[in-house]
Amino acid sequence: GAGVSQSPRYKVAKRGQDVALRCDPISGHVSLFWYQQALGQGPEFLTYFQNEAQLDKSGLPSDRFFAERPEGSVSTLKIQRTQQEDSAVYLCASSLYGSGGSPLHFGNGTRLTVT
Amino acid sequence: SQQGEEDPQALSIQEGENATMNCSYKTSINNLQWYRQNSGRGLVHLILIRSNEREKHSGRLRVTLDTSKKSSSLLITASRAVDTASYFCATDSDMDSNYQLIWGAGTKLIIKP
Repeated sequence: GAGVSQSPRYKVAKRGQDVALRCDPISGHVSLFWYQQALGQGPEFLTYFQNEAQLDKSGLPSDRFFAERPEGSVSTLKIQRTQQEDSAVYLCASSLYGSGGSPLHFGNGTRLTVT
Repeated sequence: SQQGEEDPQALSIQEGENATMNCSYKTSINNLQWYRQNSGRGLVHLILIRSNEREKHSGRLRVTLDTSKKSSSLLITASRAVDTASYFCATDSDMDSNYQLIWGAGTKLIIKP
C-alpha cells in the first residue's frame, strides 16, 4: 500500500520567502507528526496532530512556523519569511494511534535550503 | 531535547560481521523503538520493545532492554551491504505525554564489502 508521501522533495528558497511543505499520511492514520532533522542528528519534534486537532505545537521554533491538517488527512507545514537557520530536512510521520507504542511511518522528507 | 544517546556515533565493519549499537536514556519509559535511516530517505521502523520485555528478535535483528541501566542494544547479525545506514533509538517516557518520542543522534553504520 501507499506510504507517507511528502512534497516537494527539495526546496530552495531565498531568505525572506514563504514556503509550504505538504504531507500525505497513510490513509486512516489518526496521528501525524512533523519533525525537523539537521545533518547527522536525530529528528527534533515540531508538532503533533490527532485527526484535525493540533494537540502539541511546542516544538515549533518560532511564530514563523505554522502547521495545519484541516480535514484530518493531508497536512501542510508553512514557514514564513524563511531564514538560513531554517535549512534542514523536514520529516512527516503518521501512525495508526498516538501512543509511543504505535510505530511511526515516515515520508522521505523535504530538504529545505534557504539561500 | 534529546533523551537517547546512541554509541558508537559511527561504526565500520566488514560484511558478514555482527554489528552492535547501544542506546542509553534518562527517564523511565513505556516503550523503546529502533529505526533505520538510509541516506536521503525517511526513517523506517525496525522493532519495538516494551518496558516489561528484555529481549526481542526480528530476522537478523536482536534487541535487548535493561531498564535498570536505562539502556538498550541493537545487534545485527551477519551484516550485509544493505545494512549501511544510520540507526536511531526512540523512547516514550512514562512521565510525559505518551505520543512524544525522544530521539538519539544515531549511530552511522558502514558495512565494507
